[in-house]
Amino acid sequence: DAGVTQSPTHLIKTRGQHVTLRCSPISGHKSVSWYQQVLGQGPQFIFQYYEKEERGRGNFPDRFSARQFPNYSSELNVNALLLGDSALYLCASSLRGAETQYFGPGTRLLVL
Amino acid sequence: AQKITQTQPGMFVQEKEAVTLDCTYDTSDQSYGLFWYKQPSSGEMIFLIYQGSYDEQNATEGRYSLNFQKARKSANLVISASQLGDSAMYFCAMREGSGAGSYQLTFGKGTKLSVIP
Repeated sequence: DAGVTQSPTHLIKTRGQHVTLRCSPISGHKSVSWYQQVLGQGPQFIFQYYEKEERGRGNFPDRFSARQFPNYSSELNVNALLLGDSALYLCASSLRGAETQYFGPGTRLLVL
Repeated sequence: AQKITQTQPGMFVQEKEAVTLDCTYDTSDQSYGLFWYKQPSSGEMIFLIYQGSYDEQNATEGRYSLNFQKARKSANLVISASQLGDSAMYFCAMREGSGAGSYQLTFGKGTKLSVIP
């Protein structure tokens, strides 16, 4: 069975641009969570979605937004990119949110 | 205060030996979960083992076991018979939350494990 997939794998943007990251959960999983991992740190929670509803949001500015589609895939959008947004963005899926979260390979974003 | 503390930035272990990675946590919730993930240089976070706060027995998964001491709020990962492929970053994480809230994971800063041939 396919695991969590994310696209693209790598991305280079310039300051002020907008970016969209995509995630497809494990088949049967209805919850998707997004995390940001800057170099040398553990991942930080950004959003969790379940059945297309936002369940929670971490301490991130409004430039970060996300949504979940009827097929449970998800998009993370970041507007007005800053150099500090350079990080590995990880998507994780779980059955309903409370169970073990399984992570995708991540998207490496570099903002120049 | 940090919710998850991993005090060992780096650890070395001889191949085939056992190693313990430390993790302490801080929560006022009665119901919570503790996880360990492995992150190779490729970046993907690989789930290793889970311990629920109400589980009376320590969790085990193959060569991985979790030494859960609830009163001390510690959840150390023990890897037995280390292999070269175990060289990676290891993260301890906690899930709090219940009801309609989010079940976010809070991660520690990680421990870099290097297995020496």
